[in-house]
Amino acid sequence: ETGVTQTPRHLVMGMTNKKSLKCEQHLGHNAMYWYKQSAKKPLELMFVYNFKEQTENNSVPSRFSPECPNSSHLFLHLHTLQPEDSALYLCASSQAGNNEQFFGPGTRLTVL
Amino acid sequence: LAKTTQPISMDSYEGQEVNITCSHNNIATNDYITWYQQFPSQGPRFIIQGYKTKVTNEVASLFIPADRKSSTLSLPRVSLSDTAVYYCLVGEGTGFQKLVFGTGTRLLVSP
Repeated sequence: ETGVTQTPRHLVMGMTNKKSLKCEQHLGHNAMYWYKQSAKKPLELMFVYNFKEQTENNSVPSRFSPECPNSSHLFLHLHTLQPEDSALYLCASSQAGNNEQFFGPGTRLTVL
Repeated sequence: LAKTTQPISMDSYEGQEVNITCSHNNIATNDYITWYQQFPSQGPRFIIQGYKTKVTNEVASLFIPADRKSSTLSLPRVSLSDTAVYYCLVGEGTGFQKLVFGTGTRLLVSP
């Protein structure tokens, strides 16, 4: 256990559905991240939040919408996704000034 | 962000020492070198970080030559559970947040 939890662990959705991924960190960190890992590809950073403020949006399509209501919670809202969005979505957290990131177990997303 | 190059895959046997080398020719003065480990369908896990010379923890050692253009992750006496993908990352100073993962090195440990 890394102190970062993600729900759900698996999600299957149609292209017209709206769903949300949730991440929670119990480490007292003040930075949170979303990453995408497609099959046989490197991890791609999607979003970075510092003290609840978004500081990085790595050219992510608008069908992915992040939300960070507080330093412990991070959401990724999904709508009108494409089959190529099927991937492992990983959440991570870190403490400002420390570049060790703690990753959650990920949500395996399948878009039909 | 400095680009890193590592072997795509390596094979080893239980009990052997494994050394994975990473090249980062364009490393900047403020850059640190960090290694992560990832098992299938899990998030990466921090292994070790260093700036120069040698760093050792309970899991691995990291060797960095004086020119810092490469680094070597050393895993002593590997076991089957060390089969994973190992990523070398280079980032600026402390607190760098934009981790850029390459394809990593897929290590397979056999009995």
